[in-house]
Amino acid sequence: EPEVTQTPSHQVTQMGQEVILRCVPISNHLYFYWYRQILGQKVEFLVSFYNNEISEKSEIFDDQFSVERPDGSNFTLKIRSTKLEDSAMYFCASVAVAVFGEQYFGPGTRLTVT
Amino acid sequence: AQSVTQLGSHVSVSEGALVLLRCNYSSSVPPYLFWYVQYPNQGLQLLLKYTTGATLVKGINGFEAEFKKSETSFHLTKPSAHMSDAAEYFCAVSDPGGSRLTFGEGTQLTVNP
Repeated sequence: EPEVTQTPSHQVTQMGQEVILRCVPISNHLYFYWYRQILGQKVEFLVSFYNNEISEKSEIFDDQFSVERPDGSNFTLKIRSTKLEDSAMYFCASVAVAVFGEQYFGPGTRLTVT
Repeated sequence: AQSVTQLGSHVSVSEGALVLLRCNYSSSVPPYLFWYVQYPNQGLQLLLKYTTGATLVKGINGFEAEFKKSETSFHLTKPSAHMSDAAEYFCAVSDPGGSRLTFGEGTQLTVNP
């Protein structure tokens, strides 16, 4: 069964450093998402991406965040200057059709900012 | 704005007992409702969803949920718990016009032998 993959599974970085979290969505899917879950809190929507542009973003997704689909298969989330409060589990998801469609989630990347 | 409340962050049942995980939502438009399950070190897996039509929805692994508009609820049930059901369960809502999911805080289900 096709699945969404994410790398790395765990990333440790120092405050102020840039990180790139990588996702490989399911190959025929067209809509891509990033969510995050701070330890002990809800899963929160960050951004959705379609047709090589952001279609929706939350208030969390400020200027330090960016997303890209650099090569038609990978979907990346970049955090330019990490803060302690960016420590969280980051989930990528993809879906073939935005409405009615099931979002398939990857296993997540645990980001720890020290 | 939409929101989801899951009553009970931890639920413990005996193997073979009824599982009931509660979810209430708030939405200004007819919602789409979802239940996801997360096993340790894995991503979120869709159990079932309600979009339109029949209000009783059946999902994988013997789970079902009923959309009750008057109660703004979408509780998840399973008649007989199995040890393999131990996981964290998330209720989520989206509006028909969009696709972003708004999640509840999750319920950790423990199944005792």
